[in-house]
Amino acid sequence: NAGVTQTPKFRILKIGQSMTLQCTQDMNHNYMYWYRQDPGMGLKLIYYSVGAGITDKGEVPNGYNVSRSTTEDFPLRLELAAPSQTSVYFCASSYSGGGYQETQYFGPGTRLLVL
Amino acid sequence: EDQVTQSPEALRLQEGESSSLNCSYTVSGLRGLFWYRQDPGKGPEFLFTLYSAGEEKEKERLKATLTKKESFLHITAPKPEDSATYLCAVQRAGFQKLVFGTGTRLLVSP
Repeated sequence: NAGVTQTPKFRILKIGQSMTLQCTQDMNHNYMYWYRQDPGMGLKLIYYSVGAGITDKGEVPNGYNVSRSTTEDFPLRLELAAPSQTSVYFCASSYSGGGYQETQYFGPGTRLLVL
Repeated sequence: EDQVTQSPEALRLQEGESSSLNCSYTVSGLRGLFWYRQDPGKGPEFLFTLYSAGEEKEKERLKATLTKKESFLHITAPKPEDSATYLCAVQRAGFQKLVFGTGTRLLVSP
């Protein structure tokens, strides 16, 4: 049981390039999330998904896109990288159903540097 | 708007020197308050969830408490391996989103 895994661990992008951050969970959680963490700031929610095929915006969605075709995977897409997207990105997952809601569990993060 | 403020920003303790971290919050209808531990270069690791004022939870040297306005994370006789950033987050009832504080960086010296 690996929990939440993320790839890559670290990436350097040039301004205007695109990339996809991968996130996979093996806990059969229905909810998945993407956060970014900047120095001195709390984690900010970018997008989240309540299940395959259903996504919604968080606090800071501009410049990002997501899709969720399976329960396990929730990739985050950066189309035109900008220096403001330099950050550490965390994927998380949780289970919610029948009035019961579990804690969000986080992956190890992807550090992205846009130059 | 839901808000979380953590204090102090940084705390340096000697091994065995007990202390407390504070998390003040404002939220319309608290569903839960969460404490996470984050080591450098790692993702947040879940510690506790508190649901209602008066609730307390313990894990080894850590004890979390909750009032209607704040939560405390008490660290008793800390060890160097307790050094980390401790994050507090709140969740509003009916919402999935967590609102995080900026964390307290704890350093425990031997």
